[in-house]
Amino acid sequence: NAGVTQTPKFRVLKTGQSMTLLCAQDMNHEYMYWYRQDPGMGLRLIHYSVGEGTTAKGEVPDGYNVSRLKKQNFLLGLESAAPSQTSVYFCASSSGANTGELFFGEGSRLTVL
Amino acid sequence: KQEVTQIPAALSVPEGENLVLNCSFTDSAIYNLQWFRQDPGKGLTSLLLIQSSQREQTSGRLNASLDKSSGRSTLYIAASQPGDSATYLCAVNKGTYKYIFGTGTRLKVLA
Repeated sequence: NAGVTQTPKFRVLKTGQSMTLLCAQDMNHEYMYWYRQDPGMGLRLIHYSVGEGTTAKGEVPDGYNVSRLKKQNFLLGLESAAPSQTSVYFCASSSGANTGELFFGEGSRLTVL
Repeated sequence: KQEVTQIPAALSVPEGENLVLNCSFTDSAIYNLQWFRQDPGKGLTSLLLIQSSQREQTSGRLNASLDKSSGRSTLYIAASQPGDSATYLCAVNKGTYKYIFGTGTRLKVLA
């Protein structure tokens, strides 16, 4: 039972480079989320999706783009990485908007030099 | 604006002790509250989910309560073990995409 899987788990980028983080869930969940976790800041929502083909901005969307072409996958892209984007990124999914349980992936640790 | 506070930020207890972790929130209009465990370098593992209509949930040695009127939830851990050492976070669900997370309580259980 995989649940929510994130790849890659670790990545080092140089300023200005681009990359994509992949999130896959096998629970048939409609809702998917990308968060970043920084010391002292807690978890902050970057973007979210309420279903295949839909995306929306969260609390800290600048510098990131997302796509949800398939229900099970939610991609987070950085077009031009900046040192301020050094963080641990978590993908999560839930079955419902208001009553569903939130499930997280293991995280992707990104360092931007 | 909804705020979620977890006090204390860190806690150290001897093995075998029963303990209570606290989570306070400022707006009682929530759909549910979820407790998570996070080990260093790992993701968040869901422990217990309490819907707004419920008062408590239990799983093994864990019991979580919810008092919406006072804006409080507690996570009770019975007979603590060194393996319980982790950071515990609570999150309130305001609906749709809106989960508000606390900054966590870092628990260390000493053998």
